[in-house]
Amino acid sequence: AQKVTQAQTEISVVEKEDVTLDCVYETRDTTYYLFWYKQPPSGELVFLIRRNSFDEQNEISGRYSWNFQKSTSSFNFTITASQVVDSAVYFCALSGARYNFNKFYFGSGTKLNVKP
Amino acid sequence: NAGVTQTPKFRVLKTGQSMTLLCAQDMNHEYMYWYRQDPGMGLRLIHYSVGEGTTAKGEVPDGYNVSRLKKQNFLLGLESAAPSQTSVYFCASSYGRLPPYQETQYFGPGTRLLVL
Repeated sequence: AQKVTQAQTEISVVEKEDVTLDCVYETRDTTYYLFWYKQPPSGELVFLIRRNSFDEQNEISGRYSWNFQKSTSSFNFTITASQVVDSAVYFCALSGARYNFNKFYFGSGTKLNVKP
Repeated sequence: NAGVTQTPKFRVLKTGQSMTLLCAQDMNHEYMYWYRQDPGMGLRLIHYSVGEGTTAKGEVPDGYNVSRLKKQNFLLGLESAAPSQTSVYFCASSYGRLPPYQETQYFGPGTRLLVL
């Protein structure tokens, strides 16, 4: 089965704090892809990152970083020095390369509130 | 490029009425998808298409039909709307590649549907 769990329903932080959003996945595919999307209050879905299962290097993009750990089936997302504009719902998604190819499985999302 | 566009942005229906949601993309993507987003449940795949003239069922296809007569358009139809179909509908598209490669999906702005 393909499943994504985002156990944190809602997180509130004060501006400039660091925050980590958790994503745990289940898949029977040996090759798969993981994604993070941001949904700001305006409602659109903004692509943030794609990571394939055969590349376990962590990635940093400005204040954003992603920690992919195959051993624990996790793909966590950290925002450093959070800003009010980071307030949004963040979704983690999974797509297998063999079983259910082309289908994305989304977690239920984590709502991040960054207060000034 | 407009990317992925959806028409209409918002609609109110009475139970039993029918309607069609239109999705258009100008990125020459092979694959297109329809999702629904409900509170606390993330996005769930309704139907998808891997090319002009082809469609397939996703996770929650009941009560919906789709058509892909042109590569750039993907239509979602509700033949007899029910209150359970009140949701936000998102269309997405991606390049088509063969397994094991999975391309990123890019989303439209969403259509908010209320069925009374």
